Formats: sequence, C-alpha cells, structure tokens
Amino acid sequence: DTGVSQNPRHKITKRGQNVTFRCDPISEHNRLYWYRQTLGQGPEFLTYFQNEAQLEKSRLLSDRFSAERPKGSFSTLEIQRTEQGDSAMYLCASSLADRRDEQFFGPGTRLTVL
Amino acid sequence: AQSVTQPDIHITVSEGASLELRCNYSYGATPYLFWYVQSPGQGLQLLLKYFSGDTLVQGIKGFEAEFKRSQSSFNLRKPSVHWSDAAEYFCAVGDLYTGTASKLTFGTGTRLQVTL
Repeated sequence: DTGVSQNPRHKITKRGQNVTFRCDPISEHNRLYWYRQTLGQGPEFLTYFQNEAQLEKSRLLSDRFSAERPKGSFSTLEIQRTEQGDSAMYLCASSLADRRDEQFFGPGTRLTVL
Repeated sequence: AQSVTQPDIHITVSEGASLELRCNYSYGATPYLFWYVQSPGQGLQLLLKYFSGDTLVQGIKGFEAEFKRSQSSFNLRKPSVHWSDAAEYFCAVGDLYTGTASKLTFGTGTRLQVTL
C-alpha cells in the first residue's frame, strides 16, 4: 500500500507526559499537512510543510506542540506536557505542491490523555 | 475568515432512496470546495471537488454536487444510496491560492445512516 501511513494508530498517555506521532506521506508528495479532529467536529488545520520547511502554523498549535520534517520525507508531531484537552484524532495528509487541491489523508492517530 | 456549515448532524435514509447532504460556505473569493467521506478506521477520502467550470461536478461512488454561488451552497447528492455509503461526510473549503496557505477548513460533518 503506497498511501499515507501514521503510527501509532492509538496512543493512551497520562496527563503531563510527552507523546510523538509519525506520518509517512506518499513518497513523491512534497507537501505534508497535520490536522486535529475532536469528537463530533471536522478536522482543523494545524500546520503544513513543503519539503522540510514549515510554511504555516495555526493558532491551535500552542507552544507545547512541535512538528518537524527534517529530511522532507516523514514528519513527526510532538506534544509536550499533554493535557486532557489534547485528546483527539491527529490526521496527516500529503499532496504534490502543484496539486494542493488533492490532499490524501492517512488513517490518523487517536490520542487519549487520561 | 472562511467557514463551512453543515446543518444536518445526522441523516437516516433507506437503501435505494435518494440523498442530499447540505453544505453552506463563507469565503471571500471564489471558493475551492470539497466533499470528503470518513468511514470508521479509515482516512478521509476525497469524493469530489469544485473550483471553476461546470457547477455540477461528478465524483466517485456515484456522488455528485452542485455549486450555487447565489446560495453559497455546495450540496452533495446521490440518486440511490447503498448500505455501504453509511459514513461521516465532510464538506470543506480550501484556501489554496492566497498567500502560502493550503489549508482546508472543514464543516462539522453529517453522519449518514442507511437502513435496509
């Protein structure tokens, strides 16, 4: 399967712990996006990369959140000092830079903060 | 700021019946509009998209949507629903061509239940 993959699929953590999620985009895609989806809501944009450059961050991305894409391939999203309000599905998507209208989504990582 | 409203949280239809899911958007320029479907455990899948041209767009799985600028709407339709269409449907507007933004703004979704 050559779609977008995300690991882990599920993560349960205690409040105050740090967590890191990984996203592997479709191999030729140079744009990578992170979204967050809470229960009963649609996905909300967090940030996106073109190659290794982080080009935009949402106000939703507090100082406890950091995203990287060091080699322009896979990306990681780290949440420090997790809070119960961080519980959500974290979605990754990728696209070609000249086909931004077609974002392909991964299955998501469901985070539960106890 | 762009926004999307999906007024129906939950819709139930019988298999074989027609379907229309409503979507209204707010956007300052010509919108880039999308419909996605999300099944449990699956990623969001693009059903169809609209930017310009024919206001009636065809998508995958027999879905179509019509863009009506006067009503700021982009409703999704299917003439005959199958049980496998049960899922969550999201309308989204894209900020793809202003500045460097490529983010999608999604509605809150409509959950479709199909009865046999």
